Amino acid sequence: EAGVAQSPRYKIIEKRQSVAFWCNPISGHATLYWYQQILGQGPKLLIQFQNNGVVDDSQLPKDRFSAERLKGVDSTLKIQPAKLEDSAVYLCASSLGQTNSPLHFGNGTRLTVT
Amino acid sequence: AQKVTQAQTEISVVEKEDVTLDCVYETRDTTYYLFWYKQPPSGELVFLIRRNSFDEQNEISGRYSWNFQKSTSSFNFTITASQVVDSAVYFCALSEMRRGQFYFGTGTSLTVIP
Repeated sequence: EAGVAQSPRYKIIEKRQSVAFWCNPISGHATLYWYQQILGQGPKLLIQFQNNGVVDDSQLPKDRFSAERLKGVDSTLKIQPAKLEDSAVYLCASSLGQTNSPLHFGNGTRLTVT
Repeated sequence: AQKVTQAQTEISVVEKEDVTLDCVYETRDTTYYLFWYKQPPSGELVFLIRRNSFDEQNEISGRYSWNFQKSTSSFNFTITASQVVDSAVYFCALSEMRRGQFYFGTGTSLTVIP
């Protein structure tokens, strides 16, 4: 079974620039998550999709972050414009969607904003 | 309020020693699931174990064992005869049935010294 695929693996941008991350979940997984993990901290949920609908985006900074999951499969997360404090690893995860379903994570995208 | 608390930020043990990672959670749900994840230096979060709120039987799986106690809201994880490859950050997580959300603790960084 192929795992969760994310790209790019690393990205360095200057503040006020824009950036986009891509995620392809495990086939058949209805639920997709984007997490932000700042160095030394646990993952923080940004947005959760169930198929192509948003379940929870309460912690997404909507003035600069946006995400979509067209056709209920792949997803993109965009930051525009980026700030220094956005430097983090952005993790995509997917699951079958039940409460007992473990999340399966991709390798993440390490973003550095200078 | 923090849903999942991992009070130990860093632990160092000598190879072959046993080590226990503590996790305390908070929820009002009667149905929930608890998880442990491992994040090696490569960065990918790897699912280790899962427990549901109705099953307090403690188990052993290879060198891993866990102690789930609802009375103290704790879900501790033990690695027996630690190895250098166990060096990683370990995250405890809670999944609530009512809200369908996944909450992660802040992680415990384990270093196994050869």
